[in-house]
Amino acid sequence: TQLLEQSPQFLSIQEGENLTVYCNSSSVFSSLQWYRQEPGEGPVLLVTVVTGGEVKKLKRLTFQFGDARKDSSLHITAAQPGDKGLYLCAGEVGQGNLIFGKGTKLSVKP
Amino acid sequence: EPEVTQTPSHQVTQMGQEVILRCVPISNHLYFYWYRQILGQKVEFLVSFYNNEISEKSEIFDDQFSVERPDGSNFTLKIRSTKLEDSAMYFCARNTGAGANVLTFGAGSRLTVL
Repeated sequence: TQLLEQSPQFLSIQEGENLTVYCNSSSVFSSLQWYRQEPGEGPVLLVTVVTGGEVKKLKRLTFQFGDARKDSSLHITAAQPGDKGLYLCAGEVGQGNLIFGKGTKLSVKP
Repeated sequence: EPEVTQTPSHQVTQMGQEVILRCVPISNHLYFYWYRQILGQKVEFLVSFYNNEISEKSEIFDDQFSVERPDGSNFTLKIRSTKLEDSAMYFCARNTGAGANVLTFGAGSRLTVL
């Protein structure tokens, strides 16, 4: 069974601080996607990483895919209260068949 | 206008009853999916549907589940005889068609089985 371990599960930080969320697996994925989910809504795609070692930036968010395509990280610089939410990583194992991590619930205190 | 519209947003049903959840993906893409998320747990893949046929399904998607796209527009998930453990958020998704299999999810249908 393929698993994606995501950590930390909860993160509460002050506005302006930096944070990193990790996503690890023993399996290789053809792509890894990061989503953000608000309560009562579906996951919304942030980024997809496909190539081992790839780094993508989305404003204050930096996403990295491990060289072996088994792990990924999300780094947020100078967190804002609007960054709050559940961050999910998902590894692709088939045509649109994604294995999701349990998520990291982020809260940012003003 | 949302790209994937799901109805109902919330349904409460008695155990053993049949439930149909609907999804209207506003696009011409051919790949559609159902995922579910039990409260406090991971989002889990149920089934993928391509060109009016099941492409792939998970172990969760047993005989009590079925999917169809009867009118070429609405994409439905039917649960034949609901169980308490079917209570979850059910998300419909479609493939964006942009390179890697990137999904656009609907807002979900919350199913509560009593």
